[in-house]
Amino acid sequence: DSGVTQTPKHLITATGQRVTLRCSPRSGDLSVYWYQQSLDQGLQFLIQYYNGEERAKGNILERFSAQQFPDLHSELNLSSLELGDSALYFCASSNSGRDNEQFFGPGTRLTVL
Amino acid sequence: GQNIDQPTEMTATEGAIVQINCTYQTSGFNGLFWYQQHAGEAPTFLSYNVLDGLEEKGRFSSFLSRSKGYSYLLLKELQMKDSASYLCAVNGDKLIFGTGTRLQVFP
Repeated sequence: DSGVTQTPKHLITATGQRVTLRCSPRSGDLSVYWYQQSLDQGLQFLIQYYNGEERAKGNILERFSAQQFPDLHSELNLSSLELGDSALYFCASSNSGRDNEQFFGPGTRLTVL
Repeated sequence: GQNIDQPTEMTATEGAIVQINCTYQTSGFNGLFWYQQHAGEAPTFLSYNVLDGLEEKGRFSSFLSRSKGYSYLLLKELQMKDSASYLCAVNGDKLIFGTGTRLQVFP
């Protein structure tokens, strides 16, 4: 158990819908990272927040957005969902910037029908 | 462009040694991660190399050559539980992951 929690574990929805994935980092960790992992593309870094502020952006689509709240939990919002958005979404946390070990949560499996 | 290459699949025998290579071309370089990921599970951290050379952690070692854009992960005394995907990731201007090497260990 990494100490990072993600909800829900599974999510099934339809194209065009909007969903919110939630992540609680390990106690004391200020950084939260979001990743998407699909079968054909491997692990893709989406975005990083540090202490409530956006720190780095990866291959995140404009239909996706994220935020980190004062209690340090984070949410990833996915809108206008497409079939290709079906993937595992991981959240990870670390105690500072990107030069540290990241602890991954168990992931949310999103299926778009 | 930015690119990370690692073999797609490798096989090895229990008790043997295996080396998983990773070559990269990225914008900027701060360090290189290796992660292990069992099927359907989250990645777990193995190592982070910033400087050239070999770093050893038990049965696992990781090597980095920044001038060659090259790293490898060395797994010794292989066990069945080492069957997993091994992900190389470069921490540069962006954090980029390779597609992973799926290692199968046979008895």
